[in-house]
Amino acid sequence: DTAVSQTPKYLVTQMGNDKSIKCEQNLGHDTMYWYKQDSKKFLKIMFSYNNKELIINETVPNRFSPKSPDKAHLNLHINSLELGDSAVYFCASSQGTGNTIYFGEGSWLTVV
Amino acid sequence: AQSVTQPDIHITVSEGASLELRCNYSYGATPYLFWYVQSPGQGLQLLLKYFSGDTLVQGIKGFEAEFKRSQSSFNLRKPSVHWSDAAEYFCAVGVGNQGGKLIFGQGTELSVKP
Repeated sequence: DTAVSQTPKYLVTQMGNDKSIKCEQNLGHDTMYWYKQDSKKFLKIMFSYNNKELIINETVPNRFSPKSPDKAHLNLHINSLELGDSAVYFCASSQGTGNTIYFGEGSWLTVV
Repeated sequence: AQSVTQPDIHITVSEGASLELRCNYSYGATPYLFWYVQSPGQGLQLLLKYFSGDTLVQGIKGFEAEFKRSQSSFNLRKPSVHWSDAAEYFCAVGVGNQGGKLIFGQGTELSVKP
């Protein structure tokens, strides 16, 4: 069983479109994250949710809107996609905010 | 501000040779430290972590890392590299009092020569 699963794994879309990436974890964790890996492989946190409450928003454009319907899910919706949004988006989870963070397989987003 | 530096962008070693990947961090409190590995086209896999206690930590796949507070370092080592170890390696510091986020280094790409 995959602990942190994301869908879709690959997504190619045109500029201006709206898309969503879904994430689910079956680890029973209460904290979930979205990280972005850019073309230079640099990883940076975007959002963090603890018990469905937003606790980190790292100056991400408001075209990006995370939604956590329950503790096991954290989806990422992106409006009006731009070329610069092309990246790998990783979902992750942990139990609390001072423990090991487990990552999903990543979602490769290409905006053309 | 917290930061992580991996001085080596790319390292090439021969199969069977030893490996050391360097990581230096800047963090005011006692750090939570991690090494993750990313194979091409894959996600991030946790190799090992340091929270407290013994400063030499063992991980998966024969990797180990040593926390040296005086040098603000957490270098990753492996005594004998296998071709399957070729991947990107990321060092990270956990900032527990800021929502638990990880701050990553730039990554070190490891190539293995036959």
